[in-house]
Amino acid sequence: DSGVTQTPKHLITATGQRVTLRCSPRSGDLSVYWYQQSLDQGLQFLIQYYNGEERAKGNILERFSAQQFPDLHSELNLSSLELGDSALYFCASSVVPQGYEQFFGPGTRLTVL
Amino acid sequence: GQQVMQIPQYQHVQEGEDFTTYCNSSTTLSNIQWYKQRPGGHPVFLIQLVKSGEVKKQKRLTFQFGEAKKNSSLHITATQTTDVGTYFCAGTSNDYKLSFGAGTTVTVRA
Repeated sequence: DSGVTQTPKHLITATGQRVTLRCSPRSGDLSVYWYQQSLDQGLQFLIQYYNGEERAKGNILERFSAQQFPDLHSELNLSSLELGDSALYFCASSVVPQGYEQFFGPGTRLTVL
Repeated sequence: GQQVMQIPQYQHVQEGEDFTTYCNSSTTLSNIQWYKQRPGGHPVFLIQLVKSGEVKKQKRLTFQFGEAKKNSSLHITATQTTDVGTYFCAGTSNDYKLSFGAGTTVTVRA
């Protein structure tokens, strides 16, 4: 158990819909990262937050957005869902923005039908 | 933009043999990390390399960071069935962007 929690574990929805994935970082970690892992694909870095502010942005689509709240939990919003958005979405946290190990949550498996 | 390439994509190893997975970046990295993801699991941090030419060992695993800080390798000796999984390298560029390699998926023949 990494100490990072993600909800829900599984999510099945239809194309065109909007979903919100939630992540609670490890106690004391200020930085949160979001990743997308498609079937047989590597980890695609989406976005990073540090203490409530966006720190770095990767290949995140405009249909996707995220935020980190004052209590440090984070949400990833996916809208106008397409079949290709079906993937495992991981959240990770670390103490500081870079240079330290990231602790990954168990992931949310999103299926878009 | 920054790209991290990892080879090979798949590694089928006889138990007891050694193997190496390589990671190459198109840009200089401030650090590189290695993670292992077991089937059905989430990535777990293995190690971080920061200095040019750095070498670190963890039991049967040896990690190297190239002199130019653009490449890295993971060498596993005497492979065991517990080594099964996907090994990812992740490089951080100087502008904080993190890029993961596509991973090397390791299977072991007993």
